[in-house]
Amino acid sequence: KQEVTQIPAALSVPEGENLVLNCSFTDSAIYNLQWFRQDPGKGLTSLLLIQSSQREQTSGRLNASLDKSSGRSTLYIAASQPGDSATYLCAVKSGMRFGAGTRLTVKP
Amino acid sequence: EAQVTQNPRYLITVTGKKLTVTCSQNMNHEYMSWYRQDPGLGLRQIYYSMNVEVTDKGDVPEGYKVSRKEKRNFPLILESPSPNQTSLYFCASSGGRGGSYEQYFGPGTRLTVT
Repeated sequence: KQEVTQIPAALSVPEGENLVLNCSFTDSAIYNLQWFRQDPGKGLTSLLLIQSSQREQTSGRLNASLDKSSGRSTLYIAASQPGDSATYLCAVKSGMRFGAGTRLTVKP
Repeated sequence: EAQVTQNPRYLITVTGKKLTVTCSQNMNHEYMSWYRQDPGLGLRQIYYSMNVEVTDKGDVPEGYKVSRKEKRNFPLILESPSPNQTSLYFCASSGGRGGSYEQYFGPGTRLTVT
């Protein structure tokens, strides 16, 4: 059964720092991996989708990578801002499994 | 505007009283799904649908029913709600073969069963 783990569970950084969020999965037979952002009490906003044949995707200050062989994905956020504060979730499509998320706080 | 809508957004009900949460998408997506989100357990898939009249169980289907009579709608039915179904529910849709494209989520329905 596919299991998805996100480390760390929480992260606090000063504004302007570059940071990396980690996502690992146990079964490399995935269709794709998607990163989401969730604000408290709100729905999920899609950030980046990486298909299984791709290695990375970029959008603005965000860059996500995928290494299926090692069962890992990273989300890199450059020049973090207080508005980036949220919970970040990764999800793998093999069935559909979500990680528990990383709660990010960016301090002004 | 491309979106997934859910209704109601908030619902308080009593044990055993049948309820339906509606979900609709305007993106002509074939794949739709329902999730519940609980503290400490994260998001778990309840049911999904690959196309009209095609539905399948996710990880936590017990106590729920779904139907997919039209492409745009995917209602979630709780025939006899119980307190352990108190949760935050999300509907999602995606395009591509087997829903392989980006998933779009609705705003969520917060359900309380007393």
